[in-house]
Amino acid sequence: DGGITQSPKYLFRKEGQNVTLSCEQNLNHDAMYWYRQDPGQGLRLIYYSQIVNDFQKGDIAEGYSVSREKKESFPLTVTSAQKNPTAFYLCASRGPVRGAWGEQYFGPGTRLTVT
Amino acid sequence: QKEVEQNSGPLSVPEGAIASLNCTYSDRVSQSFFWYRQYSGKSPELIMSIYSNGDKEDGRFTAQLNKASQYVSLLIRDSQPSDSATYLCAVIAYGSGNTGKLIFGQGTTLQVKP
Repeated sequence: DGGITQSPKYLFRKEGQNVTLSCEQNLNHDAMYWYRQDPGQGLRLIYYSQIVNDFQKGDIAEGYSVSREKKESFPLTVTSAQKNPTAFYLCASRGPVRGAWGEQYFGPGTRLTVT
Repeated sequence: QKEVEQNSGPLSVPEGAIASLNCTYSDRVSQSFFWYRQYSGKSPELIMSIYSNGDKEDGRFTAQLNKASQYVSLLIRDSQPSDSATYLCAVIAYGSGNTGKLIFGQGTTLQVKP
């Protein structure tokens, strides 16, 4: 059963702690993305990776870090430097490219609350 | 000016009616356009993609693209209460190369009344 999994579904952390969100896909997709969604707002791109061992900053990368050691996995670390970490975090992967642009599919998300 | 704009709504339609959701974008040479449906508390689900001017139909959904006027719309025929959700418009801008970077609108909330 192919898809994208994110864990955990809910995460609670104290301010000042780093936390790592997991994202795994078995769709054999090359490109993977991390987005953040705040209440009543659209999605904002944090980081993306088009190939193993390579990744680029998105629009709001400050306070976040990623790694891409395997094609299937793209974990996101929310560091203590992120000023407003409480949000809904969404991982996506991009399917076969039609022309130059393919469709992105999302995992179920991780809701992070930092107090 | 926001790059992708949607009316936040809520848009309220009676069951069985046609719901019309609109999206405008600022990058004149944007190439690819997507509609996602997001139920409350859930992640977005891709429901339509469109790349060429004109209409694209899939079941009760029709996406319409007009690049000259820089808008893309989503029509939902025979609306059902289960269609009540937030609909996100997303665009890949020219110049993104092969990165596939999506720019999202804020979404339109649709309410279908039984």
